[in-house]
Amino acid sequence: DTAVSQTPKYLVTQMGNDKSIKCEQNLGHDTMYWYKQDSKKFLKIMFSYNNKELIINETVPNRFSPKSPDKAHLNLHINSLELGDSAVYFCASSPQTSFLGEQFFGPGTRLTVL
Amino acid sequence: KNEVEQSPQNLTAQEGEFITINCSYSVGISALHWLQQHPGGGIVSLFMLSSGKKKHGRLIATINIQEKHSSLHITASHPRDSAVYICAVRLLNTGTASKLTFGTGTRLQVTL
Repeated sequence: DTAVSQTPKYLVTQMGNDKSIKCEQNLGHDTMYWYKQDSKKFLKIMFSYNNKELIINETVPNRFSPKSPDKAHLNLHINSLELGDSAVYFCASSPQTSFLGEQFFGPGTRLTVL
Repeated sequence: KNEVEQSPQNLTAQEGEFITINCSYSVGISALHWLQQHPGGGIVSLFMLSSGKKKHGRLIATINIQEKHSSLHITASHPRDSAVYICAVRLLNTGTASKLTFGTGTRLQVTL
């Protein structure tokens, strides 16, 4: 009965590879997000989708491409991985995009690029 | 300078102590969130405030919109409260987007 799930939990890969992280929410929420938490534990928004439509796209390299096949899923594909991409990536969802929408976070995916 | 500043950065307390974590922000906001990140990494939303005060168990969150300041209080602290507490604000004028800007977090350690 997990609300927001991510796979994999850990991902170790070589520089230059392409990898994907999957996120699914079973809360019936309309909006989903990807956040990056760096080594200093600072969280920053990357993308947000509302009903499969991209609504937030922060200054993120275009090697990162989110894909939302339906409103319950938001996957993150990363091309040509670099050392600086090592971080924990959190998916989140919220019931609405309006200013009072509480966000529910997934458990995170720890990406290590060697 | 970050738009959201938290203090202290690190806090050690003994079990039973009353704890206060502060958050100041420099921009107009429509809501403020307090999040808890467990040592295992999971993030839980504790409160979402747009005015006044909210209480949940031993946790109390207050916000003063005029002073651009919020506090998170923990009464009768316990070692299981040990975590990183993160303040996040939702900026005004983000249209239909519910974008959060985060503080750097306060690491709390409660000892026996």
